[in-house]
Order: sequence, then structure tokens, then C-alpha cells
Amino acid sequence: GNSVTQMEGPVTLSEEAFLTINCTYTATGYPSLFWYVQYPGEGLQLLLKATKADDKGSNKGFEATYRKETTSFHLEKGSVQVSDSAVYFCALKSGGSYIPTFGRGTSLIVHP
Amino acid sequence: DAGVIQSPRHEVTEMGQEVTLRCKPISGHNSLFWYRQTMMRGLELLIYFNNNVPIDDSGMPEDRFSAKMPNASFSTLKIQPSEPRDSAVYFCASSLFASGVQNPHEQYFGPGTRLTVT
Repeated sequence: GNSVTQMEGPVTLSEEAFLTINCTYTATGYPSLFWYVQYPGEGLQLLLKATKADDKGSNKGFEATYRKETTSFHLEKGSVQVSDSAVYFCALKSGGSYIPTFGRGTSLIVHP
Repeated sequence: DAGVIQSPRHEVTEMGQEVTLRCKPISGHNSLFWYRQTMMRGLELLIYFNNNVPIDDSGMPEDRFSAKMPNASFSTLKIQPSEPRDSAVYFCASSLFASGVQNPHEQYFGPGTRLTVT
């Protein structure tokens, strides 16, 4: 079956530091990959996505590249802000399935 | 555009009482999901509807939980009787699923209902 593995959190950084949150997956076929972000007290919202190998999704300074050879979709940002403090979820969806598979989430805490 | 709407945002009830959570999906979406989120178990899928029909309810924890979708713009999740272990944040999400179309089918989540059962 499908699965998503994310690095354990929390990740604690100072403002303007470089961020990497690792995500690897197991899936049949060619899934679409997603990063969702959940700010405190809110629902998950789509941050970025990629639908095929070597695609790069980007949004709000965040980037992730669909690496089929390593089955990875790591999230990166060059300079984090306090407002980026949130929980980040990696997810995938196979084309033939109605239901996405989510990782456990990684909490990011950014200090001023 | 209005996103997914959930009500109430917060619910506090006593053990044994019936609880009804409500969801209005994004207009035009044909898939609706109910999730539960807790610190211990993370995000769990409870049930999924496609075109108002329940497709997969294997995540519903027990018979105390039931969900309906009487039309394309409304769904309910009911817990009867409620128990303290049901305390969690319940999310509704919707998506547009179109087979045969290159569509990643991302989900749009509501703000959640925080349920506390005392």
C-alpha cells in the first residue's frame, strides 16, 4: 500500500535560517505529491504540489522537487520567518485512488 | 470564493450526549472527507463520500459514529452517545475528483470543529 514518511519534529530554527523537512514515500504507479500546512487553530491548506517526476512545486518561498529515483519530496525554504511556524504535512495521491495518504506531520517552530 | 464551511467551531458536551457536526463543501466539488485529528493518533480519515454516496467508512471508529450526505452541499457527522475519548478536532475536506483527467485532486479543508466531551 501507499505510505508517507516524514522526519520527526519539532524542527526549531532561528529566523532567516534554511529549512529542510524530509519526506519519502512508497506508492504504486506515479502519484501526485503535496505539501500541506496547518497554522495553529486552522485546517490544513495546500502549500504546493507536483504531479510528475522532476516537477518542482513552489509557493510562498517554499519549494519541493518530485524525485522518483529517491522517492522523495523534501520541502525547502531559504529563509524562514516566525510566521512560518506551523505543522507541515507531506501527502500523496495515486491516480486510481480517491483517498490521499498523509504523513504524520512535522512541527516547525521559528524563533525571532 | 467561500471555502469549506464547518459548524460549530467549538463544541463542549457531556458524556452520553449526542453531537452533530456539520459541513458545507466547496460548490462543484464531488468528493467529501471527514477526518479526526488528535495529538496521539494524528490525522485519521473517518469516511469518504463521492457524489453523495459513502464509498469508504472503514475509518469510522465504531457504531456510535455515523455520517450522512443528503445532498451535494451538506454533510453531517453524528456521535451518539459521545464519550471523552471522542475529544478531538474534526475536519471536513472536499475535492473535485474526475476520473480520466490529469488532476492531482488536492483537498480543501475546513477550519475544523474542536470537540470536547467531559
